[in-house]
Amino acid sequence: DTAVSQTPKYLVTQMGNDKSIKCEQNLGHDTMYWYKQDSKKFLKIMFSYNNKELIINETVPNRFSPKSPDKAHLNLHINSLELGDSAVYFCASNYGYTFGSGTRLTVV
Amino acid sequence: AQSVTQPDIHITVSEGASLELRCNYSYGATPYLFWYVQSPGQGLQLLLKYFSGDTLVQGIKGFEAEFKRSQSSFNLRKPSVHWSDAAEYFCAVGAAAGNKLTFGGGTRVLVKP
Repeated sequence: DTAVSQTPKYLVTQMGNDKSIKCEQNLGHDTMYWYKQDSKKFLKIMFSYNNKELIINETVPNRFSPKSPDKAHLNLHINSLELGDSAVYFCASNYGYTFGSGTRLTVV
Repeated sequence: AQSVTQPDIHITVSEGASLELRCNYSYGATPYLFWYVQSPGQGLQLLLKYFSGDTLVQGIKGFEAEFKRSQSSFNLRKPSVHWSDAAEYFCAVGAAAGNKLTFGGGTRVLVKP
């Protein structure tokens, strides 16, 4: 069983569209995160939720909205996608012990 | 604010040779330190972590790292690299359990036969 699973693995979409990335962890952890890895491989925190409550919200455009229906899920919704949103998005749980395999988002 | 510097962008090492990757951090209190490996097209895998205690930390895949507070460093080492160790390596620092991680820029390791 995959500990932290993200879907989809690849996402290609046009500018202006709205898309969601889903993340689920089956480890029973309270805390989940979203990180963004840009084209230069630089990783930066975006959001963190602890038991469905937002605890970290870095300087991210408000087009990005995380949603945590329960502590095992942390989804990322992105409105009005822009070219600069192209990146790999990683979900993680429990303080970075476990990362998902990433979602490569390409905006064209 | 916490920060991490990995001074080496690329390192090329021969198979069977030793490897050392440098990591320097900036943080006011006792840091939580991590090393991750990322193979091409893959996610991040935790190699090892340091929270407290013994400053020499053993990890998976034969890696170890040493925390040196006086040098603000947490260098990663492996005595003998294998071709499968070719990947990108990231050092990260955190303030406390549950807090965010700040990553270094990564070091790409190439392994020559």
